[in-house]
Amino acid sequence: AQSVTQPDIHITVSEGASLELRCNYSYGATPYLFWYVQSPGQGLQLLLKYFSGDTLVQGIKGFEAEFKRSQSSFNLRKPSVHWSDAAEYFCAVGRMDSNYQLIWGAGTKLIIKP
Amino acid sequence: SQTIHQWPATLVQPVGSPLSLECTVEGTSNPNLYWYRQAAGRGLQLLFYSVGIGQISSEVPQNLSASRPQDRQFILSSKKLLLSDSGFYLCAWSEDNQETQYFGPGTRLLVL
Repeated sequence: AQSVTQPDIHITVSEGASLELRCNYSYGATPYLFWYVQSPGQGLQLLLKYFSGDTLVQGIKGFEAEFKRSQSSFNLRKPSVHWSDAAEYFCAVGRMDSNYQLIWGAGTKLIIKP
Repeated sequence: SQTIHQWPATLVQPVGSPLSLECTVEGTSNPNLYWYRQAAGRGLQLLFYSVGIGQISSEVPQNLSASRPQDRQFILSSKKLLLSDSGFYLCAWSEDNQETQYFGPGTRLLVL
């Protein structure tokens, strides 16, 4: 069965420091991959997605993610975080066998230290 | 452009009372529609999805139900709420035959 793992429940980063959030998936074929961000009490906003082509994907708010097939990973990165990046981040994989549903990771909460 | 609305934004209901949460999408036609629940500190749990009017698929058996009376309207209901129904309910849509989902602002439900 497909699954998505976000191994870090919480990550604390100093403002201005670089960030990498990990996401690993299990899927037999080339997956459709997504990163979403959720600010407290809000809905989810799409940051970026990978379907095919260039494995380095640029998203909104200065985020990027790299698809590495050999590692079954789709890690999210940002070179310098801002206090406004404090939020919860969800990785998801497209479930191709049933009406384009998504399989979700449990989320990583990002805390920014001033 | 497309927009998605949910209401109410917040709801406090007693145990055993009924529930109706509404989600509407504008600017698209024949979308796929989804209801998710997010318990405090937890990830997303898909409750229902719909690929068309009157077509509802349930992912998790529970005391909730969903209906899609119109193309761009998705309703989440319950006849009798349980304490465990408390949570943050998110509606999402995607284009027909597309994977990318777009989320509404959510409804926070507290059952007392």
